Amino acid sequence: AQSVTQLGSHVSVSEGALVLLRCNYSSSVPPYLFWYVQYPNQGLQLLLKYTSAATLVKGINGFEAEFKKSETSFHLTKPSAHMSDAAEYFCAVTRSGAGSYQLTFGKGTKLSVIP
Amino acid sequence: DGGITQSPKYLFRKEGQNVTLSCEQNLNHDAMYWYRQDPGQGLRLIYYSQIVNDFQKGDIAEGYSVSREKKESFPLTVTSAQKNPTAFYLCATTDYDFNQPQHFGDGTRLSIL
Repeated sequence: AQSVTQLGSHVSVSEGALVLLRCNYSSSVPPYLFWYVQYPNQGLQLLLKYTSAATLVKGINGFEAEFKKSETSFHLTKPSAHMSDAAEYFCAVTRSGAGSYQLTFGKGTKLSVIP
Repeated sequence: DGGITQSPKYLFRKEGQNVTLSCEQNLNHDAMYWYRQDPGQGLRLIYYSQIVNDFQKGDIAEGYSVSREKKESFPLTVTSAQKNPTAFYLCATTDYDFNQPQHFGDGTRLSIL
């Protein structure tokens, strides 16, 4: 069964510093992976997705993620944090079975940006 | 404007009461999903529907019910059997394609009076 582990429920960085949010997945088949961002009292917004076309995926707002099969990882990075990046981030993997398309989500990492 | 509309934004339930959360989409997506979000728990799947007049239980379906009479609509009823309904509920849709992302509404926050 597919699963996702996000290391660190809360990450704090200074404004202008590197952002690194970790995601490891477990999947018996080649996975499709996604990163979403959630601002308070809002729904989730897609940041980027990995669908096997390229291992380095660029997303919106300057974020990118690298798929590393050997490490079963899909970590999210941004070179320079901005105050507006403060939000909760979720990693998700497509769950397969019986022709259905579901996502399994990690528990989320809350990013704080310190001025 | 294409999108997903969830209503109401905030909802309060009394003891023993059923309440219904609305989810409407104009994206023409086949599949629709309901998730429950609790602090520190991520999103957990309640029900999903891949086609009109068909739906499947997710991981935490007990105490909830759904219907899919129209492609655009997928209402969720939180019944009195759900003993801990206080949570943020999110509706999502997607094209019927394995690598397409899910699109989310802005959520409904349900609280107990």
